[in-house]
Amino acid sequence: DVKVTQSSRYLVKRTGEKVFLECVQDMDHENMFWYRQDPGLGLRLIYFSYDVKMKEKGDIPEGYSVSREKKERFSLILESASTNQTSMYLCASSFARASGRVYNEQFFGPGTRLTVL
Amino acid sequence: AQSVTQPDIHITVSEGASLELRCNYSYGATPYLFWYVQSPGQGLQLLLKYFSGDTLVQGIKGFEAEFKRSQSSFNLRKPSVHWSDAAEYFCAVARRGAGNMLTFGGGTRLMVKP
Repeated sequence: DVKVTQSSRYLVKRTGEKVFLECVQDMDHENMFWYRQDPGLGLRLIYFSYDVKMKEKGDIPEGYSVSREKKERFSLILESASTNQTSMYLCASSFARASGRVYNEQFFGPGTRLTVL
Repeated sequence: AQSVTQPDIHITVSEGASLELRCNYSYGATPYLFWYVQSPGQGLQLLLKYFSGDTLVQGIKGFEAEFKRSQSSFNLRKPSVHWSDAAEYFCAVARRGAGNMLTFGGGTRLMVKP
């Protein structure tokens, strides 16, 4: 069974704090993703990593950074948390697209609900 | 750029009734389409996907979806809803040549009346 775990289910932080959200997958997936989920907006991609130390900006990277030092772990960093970053954060992982395959399923973690006061 | 629209934010159906959740996409080529379900407190789970071929695809938990190119739609259906189907449902389209990335719709929250 694929497992994607996130370090916290609920997190409360203060404005200006540095926040780390951790994600770990156990399926040796090359790709890892961070999404933000808000009511009515669905999931929006923040950052994507296709290999260790490699990253690409998604649709809403402003105010966020990421780190991938090991293949199984992908961290989302809020350098200085703000109230408009209060949201649900979802991590996902997948195999890279291999020759002959059109797409590889993304597997999601349970999410971290972050509140910034 | 591709986009996905789910016109219904909330839907309420009675248990045992049929269900249809709407999804419209905007994409320049043949899309790869997905439906995901998110139960309360859970991550997203893939219900079904469409890549090519038969436009009616079957998924898990008794769900099916039909791809209609002429209407740019990929509606999700279930003939008889169970109380455990109450959840949020997301339609998504894959971004071609972009490392397996997805674009999601805004979601539809399904409530089931006893």
